[in-house]
Amino acid sequence: GAVVSQHPSRVICKSGTSVKIECRSLDFQATTMFWYRQFPKQSLMLMATSNEGSKATYEQGVEKDKFLINHASLTLSTLTVTSAHPEDSSFYICSASRDFNSYEQYFGPGTRLTVT
Amino acid sequence: AQSVAQPEDQVNVAEGNPLTVKCTYSVSGNPYLFWYVQYPNRGLQFLLKYITGDNLVKGSYGFEAEFNKSQTSFHLKKPSALVSDSALYFCAVRDDGGYNKLIFGAGTRLAVHP
Repeated sequence: GAVVSQHPSRVICKSGTSVKIECRSLDFQATTMFWYRQFPKQSLMLMATSNEGSKATYEQGVEKDKFLINHASLTLSTLTVTSAHPEDSSFYICSASRDFNSYEQYFGPGTRLTVT
Repeated sequence: AQSVAQPEDQVNVAEGNPLTVKCTYSVSGNPYLFWYVQYPNRGLQFLLKYITGDNLVKGSYGFEAEFNKSQTSFHLKKPSALVSDSALYFCAVRDDGGYNKLIFGAGTRLAVHP
């Protein structure tokens, strides 16, 4: 149990276009989902925390208008990179938490975004 | 503020030898500590966690970690390394700010040589 999927696994887009990444919890309801960004050979940087039905909480320095997060249901969160630029190229990973007392996060396989 | 330090960028071990990947933490309250492993171009896989109880925590794939409160450490260990253990390992601590936010260390690359 506790499987999280991401779609797509890889995406290449042109500069100026928008890209949507989906994160789904397949066999549990995720009260909270997290979006991370990982640069090559670096750690995970938390971008935002989202709870179902409410606005996402963004970490300092993350542009909320550029990285739109929607958590429409207990099993789905989406990250939309708007007007993407080459510097947005990165590995984006989502994770999900069952509830506040579970302490664990279950991670998706990641999405490799390349902006040309 | 909570923080996690992984002092080694890379650890090299011969197959069959014991391995240790170091982690130290700084928290204001009780620490909730985690180890995750990441294989190339993949998400993170949970290995083990310490919330409370025994200081020696056993996890997946034969890994274990020892919680040491006096040294504020949570080192990851395995008695006999496998080549397939080669990966990137992250130590993390739960952020007291809520929502189960995790603060990750910089990661340690483990290379197990045949």
